[in-house]
Amino acid sequence: DAKTTQPTSMDCAEGRAANLPCNHSTISGNEYVYWYRQIHSQGPQYIIHGLKNNETNEMASLIITEDRKSSTLILPHATLRDTAVYYCIALDISNFGNEKLTFGTGTRLTIIP
Amino acid sequence: DAGVIQSPRHEVTEMGQEVTLRCKPISGHDYLFWYRQTMMRGLELLIYFNNNVPIDDSGMPEDRFSAKMPNASFSTLKIQPSEPRDSAVYFCASSDPFSGTGFDNEQFFGPGTRLTVL
Repeated sequence: DAKTTQPTSMDCAEGRAANLPCNHSTISGNEYVYWYRQIHSQGPQYIIHGLKNNETNEMASLIITEDRKSSTLILPHATLRDTAVYYCIALDISNFGNEKLTFGTGTRLTIIP
Repeated sequence: DAGVIQSPRHEVTEMGQEVTLRCKPISGHDYLFWYRQTMMRGLELLIYFNNNVPIDDSGMPEDRFSAKMPNASFSTLKIQPSEPRDSAVYFCASSDPFSGTGFDNEQFFGPGTRLTVL
């Protein structure tokens, strides 16, 4: 699976949109981009995933560039409860048996009141 | 559903003792994963099962670690003998990749077991 690169930390004001970038320049055509987050002292939580089209759900939006070398997770109206470590993971799920998630160091997002 | 259940939530033991961590996956999920998280190494996959069969145990650190899944609703991770460097938070997760329109690797994590080995 492709390596992903994320900033170590970011701050965002409460109520504003939080935009978390992720670089995955070596991503292959079969690799999806997954985002998870981990709130302090809890287990990781799935947020969203996508292949090449932009995706949106009740938690966030995922914008993937046309060349798929980078993506941005958008939390439209950040709240204090969104303070967490956010992980971007590239995963090839086209082959049965490749269900492993490899977590990097992620981005520590702090929402400022 | 109550989600993934792990027990105990906290475990403190002395070096050399046997430790058993337990996990109950979400009903109907046929994949189960064991992870370990430390400050130094981050979140690491130790082993995962599909339909109670171990698929990949390449992340298990050494022979002191063993995991079993005797049935679809229960798994254990055992450390014998335990060492101080095993101190970490151990997470269990489960998934049902084929529940939607295609393969979907959304994993549901339990609250974790915080293990301290003195």
